[in-house]
Amino acid sequence: DIQMTQSPSSLSASVGDRVTITCQASQDISNYLNWYQQKPGKAPKLLIYDASNLETGVPSRFSGSGSGTDFTFTISSLQPEDIATYYCQQYDNLLLFGQGTKLEIK
Amino acid sequence: QLQLQESGPGLVKPSETLSLTCTVSGGSISSSSYYWGWIRQPPGKGLEWIGSIYYSGSTYYNPSLKSRVTISVDTSKNQFSLKLSSVTAADTAVYYCAYIQRGRIDYWGQGTLVTVSS
Repeated sequence: DIQMTQSPSSLSASVGDRVTITCQASQDISNYLNWYQQKPGKAPKLLIYDASNLETGVPSRFSGSGSGTDFTFTISSLQPEDIATYYCQQYDNLLLFGQGTKLEIK
Repeated sequence: QLQLQESGPGLVKPSETLSLTCTVSGGSISSSSYYWGWIRQPPGKGLEWIGSIYYSGSTYYNPSLKSRVTISVDTSKNQFSLKLSSVTAADTAVYYCAYIQRGRIDYWGQGTLVTVSS
C-alpha cells in the first residue's frame, strides 16, 4: 500500500512569507498528486492538480512541483486569507490523503 | 455548475448501519468518465477516502473499510448512496460526497455530520 507523509503538521508564518509544504509518497506515483485547501467548517477546495497544474481561478501565488515520490506545495507570499489546512492527495492507487498541514499566521 | 448535497440521519446507534444519500444537480450522474465518491473527516482530524463508484457501477473501496462499505448509484433519481455497517464511535465524522475526475476531487458536497452514539 502507498503511504503519504506530509510535513510539517503545522506551520506558523507571517504575511508575505514564502511557505512550503512537502508530501512524500512511499513509492513512485508519477505526477498523480493533488493539493487541497480546507478552511474551518468548509469542504476542501482543489488548488493544484497533477502535481503542478493550477486549478482555474486559484491565485498564482499557489504552486506545486515534484514527481515520483517527492512533492512540494508553495505559497509565494502568504496572505491572511490563506489561513487553512492543506492536504496532499495521491491517486496512483485508489485515493489517499496526506495527514494535513495547519497553517497559521504568526 | 454541478452541486452535490448529502442527506441522511445525523445520529446512528453503535452496531447499526449508517446510510447517506448524495443528490446531484446541474449534471447527470450517468455521465461517462466520472467517479462519484465519499470522503469523511472525524472531528479535528484529517480526510479519509471511503470509496468511489464509476458511472457504470464499478466500485472501489478503501481497504481499511472495504468489509463494511457499500456504495451504489440510482440513476433514476440522480443520486448515489453510502452504507457503512457495524458502526462504532470511531465512525463519527463529517461525511462528504464528491465528484471525482481523473483522480482529482473537483466538487464536494457541504458535508454532513454523523454521530455514532447510543
